[in-house]
Amino acid sequence: EIVLTQSPGTLSLSPGERVTLSCRASQDVPDNYLAWYQQKPGQSPRLLIYAASWRATGIPDRFSGSGSGTDFTLTISRLEPEDSAVFYCQQYGGSPPWTFGRGTKVEMK
Amino acid sequence: EVQLVESGGGLVKPGGSLRLSCAASGFNFSSHSMSWVRQVPGKGLEWVSTMSSSGSYIYHADSLKGRFTISRDNTKNSLYLQMNSLRADDTAVYYCAREGDYGDYVRDWGQGTLVTVSS
Repeated sequence: EIVLTQSPGTLSLSPGERVTLSCRASQDVPDNYLAWYQQKPGQSPRLLIYAASWRATGIPDRFSGSGSGTDFTLTISRLEPEDSAVFYCQQYGGSPPWTFGRGTKVEMK
Repeated sequence: EVQLVESGGGLVKPGGSLRLSCAASGFNFSSHSMSWVRQVPGKGLEWVSTMSSSGSYIYHADSLKGRFTISRDNTKNSLYLQMNSLRADDTAVYYCAREGDYGDYVRDWGQGTLVTVSS
């Protein structure tokens, strides 16, 4: 089973700042099949990025994904107040189980 | 508009059973793999089970040890999760999930249904 470690656990930032979230895998993620999700309080998660760097339909271009192998990054170029949420990475490469990271909480100062 | 509406959650005693349902609309249900993902309140996400569009392949998390069974009825645009021998640590919100066009990521999520296992 591929274990995903997300860091940091919590970020407290101001609007307009650049945000970089890390997701590190315990072994190479096959085909770089890594996704990112955003979950706001009381809501279901929402897909942001799939296949490490492909933005999902309707996602603002301030969200971008990068990385390969075991190291992946979600970047928010300019933080907006509505971006406060918990962000999860998920690997879905090879065979199940698909696994999620424990999440990074982004909050506004 | 894609809609995934779960039902069937509720309070059940340890050792009991529950069947979750997910009614799908707004897309060609029979063309998509579907999954269940759960989340303990206040905690992270956990993949539970996936079934391919035709039902030809099924995967369950090993931790479930055969207690949960996923199924679907493409004629009714519905996904199901039969949960047996429920334990307190199965308490969670269960999300119905449509998988992506290019892999087993979750493209769309339902609103979730809460399952509480308690005596």
